[in-house]
Amino acid sequence: QKEVEQDPGPLSVPEGAIVSLNCTYSNSAFQYFMWYRQYSRKGPELLMYTYSSGNKEDGRFTAQVDKSSKYISLFIRDSQPSDSATYLCAMSSGGTSYGKLTFGQGTILTVHP
Amino acid sequence: EAQVTQNPRYLITVTGKKLTVTCSQNMNHEYMSWYRQDPGLGLRQIYYSMNVEVTDKGDVPEGYKVSRKEKRNFPLILESPSPNQTSLYFCASSPRERRAYEQYFGPGTRLTVT
Repeated sequence: QKEVEQDPGPLSVPEGAIVSLNCTYSNSAFQYFMWYRQYSRKGPELLMYTYSSGNKEDGRFTAQVDKSSKYISLFIRDSQPSDSATYLCAMSSGGTSYGKLTFGQGTILTVHP
Repeated sequence: EAQVTQNPRYLITVTGKKLTVTCSQNMNHEYMSWYRQDPGLGLRQIYYSMNVEVTDKGDVPEGYKVSRKEKRNFPLILESPSPNQTSLYFCASSPRERRAYEQYFGPGTRLTVT
């Protein structure tokens, strides 16, 4: 079983829809939870990160972490065609392993006009 | 411009022929890391470096070597490449290890081993 599981999709939604992307994990030591966005033929770029449980909002994006369920989500409101990309969740445990990151498989999202 | 650069961007080689993929960053970052990306497997960490002369294994270090002799450079060495190392490789950097959640990625190197 992979430490981090992410539905690869693909996910196709109309412009303006609310998108929900999710990851589950098995390692209870994970403390840092990140979402990266990767456009085609580019390197990933950090969208948001959350420490421990709770919600974080940045414009149209909201990240949620539920450590009791080992489940994280990224919500995109009013989705735009420019949001079409692969979304990768990533996690690390901090402590002596800040630098060791584990990524999900990535979810391919297409927002059509 | 602040960036992470990788060279070469594309490489086709044969089994067993040693190769090096270079990675350089101009942001004075302490932390650097290498990943490979394969369909269905996502990004997997190969090695990372917390600072000069300090490196540690990621999840898939077998068949790879790294060194960090200078802060700005973190080359990835494949001593004897095999076809299962055909992949898309990314280098990334972060201001320091405790901010490793904030990584800046290079453009990627597509490697094919025949």
